[in-house]
Amino acid sequence: AQTVTQSQPEMSVQEAETVTLSCTYDTSENNYYLFWYKQPPSRQMILVIRQEAYKQQNATENRFSVNFQKAAKSFSLKISDSQLGDTAMYFCAFIKIFTGNQFYFGTGTSLTVIP
Amino acid sequence: NAGVMQNPRHLVRRRGQEARLRCSPMKGHSHVYWYRQLPEEGLKFMVYLQKENIIDESGMPKERFSAEFPKEGPSILRIQQVVRGDSAAYFCASSPQSTDEQYFGPGTRLTVT
Repeated sequence: AQTVTQSQPEMSVQEAETVTLSCTYDTSENNYYLFWYKQPPSRQMILVIRQEAYKQQNATENRFSVNFQKAAKSFSLKISDSQLGDTAMYFCAFIKIFTGNQFYFGTGTSLTVIP
Repeated sequence: NAGVMQNPRHLVRRRGQEARLRCSPMKGHSHVYWYRQLPEEGLKFMVYLQKENIIDESGMPKERFSAEFPKEGPSILRIQQVVRGDSAAYFCASSPQSTDEQYFGPGTRLTVT
């Protein structure tokens, strides 16, 4: 079975500062994808960043980057130069490659950017 | 290319009524997934469908819940005889292939009174 754990229910950061959200997962699979999704108050699920497990290089998307540690099964999200619009729930998610058909989501981290 | 569409966005039902939630996948996507999000929780997988087939319903409650994705028209998640515990946000996602990135709709918020 696959599990995804987000141990920080709530976090806050000053505008323009950097914040890191933690995620760990448990799986016996070797091939999988990891994602971070953002859910603002509108409740729309918005893809932030994606990482293929077979790639050693950490994914980067503008102000968002990940620290992927496959051996430790850790997948943290770093948000640089935080903006007010980054205030949202952030969910870490996992899906198996080839045999996967469902996302496994963590319970989320509520991030508040303080002006 | 329009995104995943869900309707209604908000649905209020009294206990014992039926709820029908609709999902139109993105153009070219033949894989549809339904997830449920209870208050203060992450999304939980319910069911995965392709056209006219249920592929995986391991997350679906055994009773009162059903899903379909007909050859023509949207995917439907049906909840019969709703109870207060069914109150949640229900999200639909679609993808072009089964292990591709899933694109989420805006969700339907079901409230059972």
